[in-house]
Amino acid sequence: QKEVEQDPGPLSVPEGAIVSLNCTYSNSAFQYFMWYRQYSRKGPELLMYTYSSGNKEDGRFTAQVDKSSKYISLFIRDSQPSDSATYLCAMSVYGNNRLAFGKGNQVVVIP
Amino acid sequence: GAVVSQHPSWVICKSGTSVKIECRSLDFQATTMFWYRQFPKQSLMLMATSNEGSKATYEQGVEKDKFLINHASLTLSTLTVTSAHPEDSSFYICSARGDAGGRSTQYFGPGTRLTVL
Repeated sequence: QKEVEQDPGPLSVPEGAIVSLNCTYSNSAFQYFMWYRQYSRKGPELLMYTYSSGNKEDGRFTAQVDKSSKYISLFIRDSQPSDSATYLCAMSVYGNNRLAFGKGNQVVVIP
Repeated sequence: GAVVSQHPSWVICKSGTSVKIECRSLDFQATTMFWYRQFPKQSLMLMATSNEGSKATYEQGVEKDKFLINHASLTLSTLTVTSAHPEDSSFYICSARGDAGGRSTQYFGPGTRLTVL
């Protein structure tokens, strides 16, 4: 079993729809959970950062962590064509230490 | 804050030559930097962890004599691909460990695309 599982997609949605992405993991020691956005041929950009369980909202983005289920989610409201990118979940035992990545989920927002 | 740059952004070289890629943390000091490799439509594969002033720690299966890493200062790490071959063609991304806005995590550079002919 891989440490982090993420369905690679691709996921196509119409502009304005809600995008829902998720990852599951097997290591119960993970405490820090991140979502990165990566545009084609660019480096990953930190989008959301969460410590332990709970919800975090930042503009149109909401990150949820359920440690009891070992499941994390990212929601994008009112999706825009500029949100078209690959979204990678990542997690670590310590916040700035070795990251375990999901495969990445390609999202396409259709105008 | 927490900006990481890489140079060059892309490079084409002949087989057998060596290529050096620089990774800089522009507005913070990074005692630890990481080097990743990414193939098309694949996730990031950690190659090595670079600590300032000490030898890099390589992941299993990564040839340390082929991928030379130097972390000479708190803001600069370099990756040298020695005797490059076409199979080394890939997207190389560095990250730097930093603290910004209360977030202690890795901040990534824009990546370097290497093509070996």
